[in-house]
Amino acid sequence: AQKITQTQPGMFVQEKEAVTLDCTYDTSDPSYGLFWYKQPSSGEMIFLIYQGSYDQQNATEGRYSLNFQKARKSANLVISASQLGDSAMYFCAMREEPNTGGFKTIFGAGTRLFVKA
Amino acid sequence: DAGVIQSPRHEVTEMGQEVTLRCKPISGHDYLFWYRQTMMRGLELLIYFNNNVPIDDSGMPEDRFSAKMPNASFSTLKIQPSEPRDSAVYFCASSFQLAGPRETQYFGPGTRLLVL
Repeated sequence: AQKITQTQPGMFVQEKEAVTLDCTYDTSDPSYGLFWYKQPSSGEMIFLIYQGSYDQQNATEGRYSLNFQKARKSANLVISASQLGDSAMYFCAMREEPNTGGFKTIFGAGTRLFVKA
Repeated sequence: DAGVIQSPRHEVTEMGQEVTLRCKPISGHDYLFWYRQTMMRGLELLIYFNNNVPIDDSGMPEDRFSAKMPNASFSTLKIQPSEPRDSAVYFCASSFQLAGPRETQYFGPGTRLLVL
């Protein structure tokens, strides 16, 4: 079973509009962390936003916000006022520590966002 | 503050050759991670270190892969001998914590490896 599911392989958004990138996760660990990273065509992985499983409020970082719905196990990224430079691949990731031991950071398959002028 | 530094940025080698990838984590970060990214498998965690000690190498694909961290500011990932299927982008990342409010992993620019 997929631990991190990003159901939108590709999305288009008009410049200056808001866009939501979906992410659902699967874990039985009560403590986990959720992340979003941006990977532009140049290839680097840029950290955008973090949400801890015990955080009561949704995380926000500038134009980025994370819509955290714990019961639904979803952690959608909202980008407000899209810019042309937002065109990139976006990865959702989860850190968990399974009861079986160890530590895992798992990445979704990514959503490619295209911002239209 | 400098971010995570990786070298080389690009590496082209022939099958059977030894490849060494290098990483300098962010100063003060206790955790260092090596990832591999391919089109087929996405991003995979290979190994991570805590205070220079390898903690979990269960993601290392084969014995041909080895990683070391001789000190807090340097780590290497070595592939010997290299094979064409090792062609990928290899990322190094570092973080303050493994879990908690300072657990965010910051990635280096990656090394794009092509094995012919």
